[in-house]
Amino acid sequence: DGGITQSPKYLFRKEGQNVTLSCEQNLNHDAMYWYRQDPGQGLRLIYYSQIVNDFQKGDIAEGYSVSREKKESFPLTVTSAQKNPTAFYLCASSTGTGPPLDTQYFGPGTRLTVL
Amino acid sequence: AQRVTQPEKLLSVFKGAPVELKCNYSYSGSPELFWYVQYSRQRLQLLLRHISRESIKGFTADLNKGETSFHLKKPFAQEEDSAMYYCALLFSGGYNKLIFGAGTRLAVHP
Repeated sequence: DGGITQSPKYLFRKEGQNVTLSCEQNLNHDAMYWYRQDPGQGLRLIYYSQIVNDFQKGDIAEGYSVSREKKESFPLTVTSAQKNPTAFYLCASSTGTGPPLDTQYFGPGTRLTVL
Repeated sequence: AQRVTQPEKLLSVFKGAPVELKCNYSYSGSPELFWYVQYSRQRLQLLLRHISRESIKGFTADLNKGETSFHLKKPFAQEEDSAMYYCALLFSGGYNKLIFGAGTRLAVHP
């Protein structure tokens, strides 16, 4: 373990609040990703970043925002606009070099619950 | 459209029985496929990738382009194999995005 850390492990949010999930990596990876994991739906990509100061929307970006000011860090903000934010959130990173050898490594996740 | 299908939500077997977790994909390009595993209370981790043609923890997976499948197999299941298994397709159209299946929970009973 190690390499990619996420905090907090559990997070509770009241309706209407924005919350920020932390993701840090010390693998010197260029690419970072945020996924949402829901039971029975696998993982769905929220946002990804190939390099510092650049990021792109994934498949379910509505209600989320990110920043990539440092190579090591890729925080995710879940805004009040996200209608159903209760889920397990996974951060990943990779070298970003693409196939055939690029591999995504995952953090331990943050479980967000809206009260 | 790119898609990964894992038709079984749950696969329940007894220890020592053969296991096959099914994965089918839809992709117009040359596929790069992976199996990820998530054991209880552990992070999601790469199990194997098709390009490496390797066997990890006794598991193998063969890419069948004709059937667009990448099934995960193990001849003799162990209790410690119980976990959630995800098949994933790397979509490399300008960026490298993993497309995941819904996952199959493997339960190996003593």
